[in-house]
Amino acid sequence: KQEVTQIPAALSVPEGENLVLNCSFTDSAIYNLQWFRQDPGKGLTSLLLIQSSQREQTSGRLNASLDKSSGRSTLYIAASQPGDSATYLCAVSNQAGTALIFGKGTTLSVSS
Amino acid sequence: NAGVTQTPKFRVLKTGQSMTLLCAQDMNHEYMYWYRQDPGMGLRLIHYSVGEGTTAKGEVPDGYNVSRLKKQNFLLGLESAAPSQTSVYFCASSLRDAYGYTFGSGTRLTVV
Repeated sequence: KQEVTQIPAALSVPEGENLVLNCSFTDSAIYNLQWFRQDPGKGLTSLLLIQSSQREQTSGRLNASLDKSSGRSTLYIAASQPGDSATYLCAVSNQAGTALIFGKGTTLSVSS
Repeated sequence: NAGVTQTPKFRVLKTGQSMTLLCAQDMNHEYMYWYRQDPGMGLRLIHYSVGEGTTAKGEVPDGYNVSRLKKQNFLLGLESAAPSQTSVYFCASSLRDAYGYTFGSGTRLTVV
């Protein structure tokens, strides 16, 4: 059974700092991996999608990497801002079009 | 705007009452999903559908039923609500090839 773990559960950093969020999964045979952002009381917003054949994806200040063999992904946030404060969720799918399996998230707080 | 729409956004039920949550998507996605999100538990899959007229159980299906009579709609029913079903419910949809998932904004359900 696929399990997704995110470390740390919470993280507080000062504005401007670069940071890394970690995600690990137990079954390396994934189809894709997706990072989401969730603001308090809101739904999920997709940030980056990495297909199993890819090593990384970038969007603005965000960079996500994927190492299938070790069962790990990282989300790198450059020059953090208070507006980045949210919960970041990592999720994997094992087959095309199948349901995502989520980690419990990392709650990020960026202070000004 | 294209996307996933959930109705209602909030609801309070008494134990034993029934209700239906509606999810509608206008992106012609084949796959649709219902998740629940609880503190400390993350998002867990309740039921999902791989196409019109099909449904399947997820990780936590007990106490829920679903229907997908039309491709764009996915209904989640609670026949006899219990306090343990107090949660935030999210609907999502995806293309057959799993190129990303789109989530609704959620339904906050309280059972008293």
